[in-house]
Amino acid sequence: AQSVTQPDIHITVSEGASLELRCNYSYGATPYLFWYVQSPGQGLQLLLKYFSGDTLVQGIKGFEAEFKRSQSSFNLRKPSVHWSDAAEYFCAVGTIQGAQKLVFGQGTRLTINP
Amino acid sequence: ETGVTQSPTHLIKTRGQQVTLRCSSQSGHNTVSWYQQALGQGPQFIFQYYREEENGRGNFPPRFSGLQFPNYSSELNVNALELDDSALYLCASSFPGQVNTEAFFGQGTRLTVV
Repeated sequence: AQSVTQPDIHITVSEGASLELRCNYSYGATPYLFWYVQSPGQGLQLLLKYFSGDTLVQGIKGFEAEFKRSQSSFNLRKPSVHWSDAAEYFCAVGTIQGAQKLVFGQGTRLTINP
Repeated sequence: ETGVTQSPTHLIKTRGQQVTLRCSSQSGHNTVSWYQQALGQGPQFIFQYYREEENGRGNFPPRFSGLQFPNYSSELNVNALELDDSALYLCASSFPGQVNTEAFFGQGTRLTVV
């Protein structure tokens, strides 16, 4: 069965600092991987996705993520965070049938210090 | 703008009651998935509907049931509500036939059971 682990429950960074959010997955086949962001009381917005090809994927809002099969990881990065990036971030893995059946990690809450 | 709309946005019910949540999928999407997100947790897959048929179910009891209509909108019904059913319920729509398909989420329905 698929599973996703986000080791960091809460991360605090200063505005303008770089960011890396960790994600490890468990899945027997080639995974479909996603990062979503959720602002308080809101739904999920897709930041980026990996299906195949280039292992470094670019997303919206200046985010990128790198797929490392050997480490079963899909870490999210941003070179310089903005106060508006404060939110909850979720990594998810989908089945080969598509992105519809997603298994999510428990999330990482990002706080930005001014 | 994802195009997935959910109603109502908030709901308070008493333990033992029944509730129906509604979701309108994005135009052209024939697949709807429902997720439960408890406070401080990642979303958990409840079930999925594809062309009006249930197409996969997560680890939820039978008192969680659903429907999909010919226009691909969907309902989630929960009978005999329990306090632990309090959560944000998210609907996501997608079109499996598309290359690089992804799921688009609505803003969710916040259900409180008292």
